[in-house]
Amino acid sequence: GAGVSQSPSNKVTEKGKDVELRCDPISGHTALYWYRQRLGQGLEFLIYFQGNSAPDKSGLPSDRFSAERTGESVSTLTIQRTQQEDSAVYLCASSLASSSGGAETQYFGPGTRLLVL
Amino acid sequence: AQSVTQLGSHVSVSEGALVLLRCNYSSSVPPYLFWYVQYPNQGLQLLLKYTSAATLVKGINGFEAEFKKSETSFHLTKPSAHMSDAAEYFCAVKAAGNKLTFGGGTRVLVKP
Repeated sequence: GAGVSQSPSNKVTEKGKDVELRCDPISGHTALYWYRQRLGQGLEFLIYFQGNSAPDKSGLPSDRFSAERTGESVSTLTIQRTQQEDSAVYLCASSLASSSGGAETQYFGPGTRLLVL
Repeated sequence: AQSVTQLGSHVSVSEGALVLLRCNYSSSVPPYLFWYVQYPNQGLQLLLKYTSAATLVKGINGFEAEFKKSETSFHLTKPSAHMSDAAEYFCAVKAAGNKLTFGGGTRVLVKP
């Protein structure tokens, strides 16, 4: 079956512009996560969705970052007024219904590489 | 709070030699532990995970890892490296909450 897909695969934007990144999770996965991977670093958690609600937004770095999920499927991560430090790979993952501290495997998409000039 | 430390951002091994990637974690509750591999320009792929069923966990591509509570470690090994093992490897912990906390990653170079 299809895995997690993300679009666009690459995005180049100018400082100050808004960008939208899209994630299509694996069908039937109710949990969805966004992570950020800066060059040469590990992944940083941004936000977690269970269904259409986001019980954990603790990783969003500023109010310029927001995310939504509709229909328990597609999610969009929006970055407003982009800054150069936003340049990174943004990875989306999905899993079956997630329980706090559970061992469900998160399946990752290929990521969106964002470059802010 | 939970955290992960991977010793060595880069590891170079000869083809056929042992691969050993170190991971130490910190967690206030019993954790679940994961190793992921990332090939160039690809997303992360799960190698194996520890779920408390057995301390020695076998994964894909000949990799295995051993959970040692006393050492708070979950080191990844493969007896004989192959050229196709060249990639970046990430250790991650999931304890309280739903998010994974990742280490900084270890890039493996395999020399012929």
